[in-house]
Amino acid sequence: DAKTTQPPSMDCAEGRAANLPCNHSTISGNEYVYWYRQIHSQGPQYIIHGLKNNETNEMASLIITEDRKSSTLILPHATLRDTAVYYCIVRGRGSDYKLSFGAGTTVTVRA
Amino acid sequence: DAGVIQSPRHEVTEMGQEVTLRCKLISGHNSLFWYRQTMMRGLELLIYFNNNVPIDDSGMPEDRFSAKMPNASFSTLKIQPSEPRDSAVYFCASSLGTGVTEAFFGQGTRLTVV
Repeated sequence: DAKTTQPPSMDCAEGRAANLPCNHSTISGNEYVYWYRQIHSQGPQYIIHGLKNNETNEMASLIITEDRKSSTLILPHATLRDTAVYYCIVRGRGSDYKLSFGAGTTVTVRA
Repeated sequence: DAGVIQSPRHEVTEMGQEVTLRCKLISGHNSLFWYRQTMMRGLELLIYFNNNVPIDDSGMPEDRFSAKMPNASFSTLKIQPSEPRDSAVYFCASSLGTGVTEAFFGQGTRLTVV
């Protein structure tokens, strides 16, 4: 049973911000939102995670709505190397800490 | 640390043969995940361990698959006998604990069963 919904694909212009949406309407109070990406032929790479506050690191920003039913990953200045499949994952703690990947969003950054 | 190390990177074997995939965790990590990735099914979680103990193996496809952690830093995934439908990229990942932590993935083993 999928916990998240993402668009299958999106294009982005190099140098522009890429905004990747994710719906997780059934998220529970103790579940976190994680984002990973997978560049072709490589293992998935952690990007960022959050609970309810917005988060920012050197790679991206994560904006979580107040009701926590959706979030947006923002790549502030997309480069060609950001072309990848991006996965939004809802993950609990303790016994429910499985990291389960859905289909993700294929992001293509174009020059 | 060199990160999660998987070996071999590529494996080609004949149907019916035994295949062993190996994974070395990041030093100090105590959770391990094995995944399989195919075009048809995407990334599937096969099994995960915490402190060398298998917590959930519900994703293991069938009895031909087995996974072990002989020590805290090393794991194997064995397929015996292998079948063409086992062809996939197999990833392992490790993390520190079961709390809010990131999992680090290896580069994967591409398995082809002919």
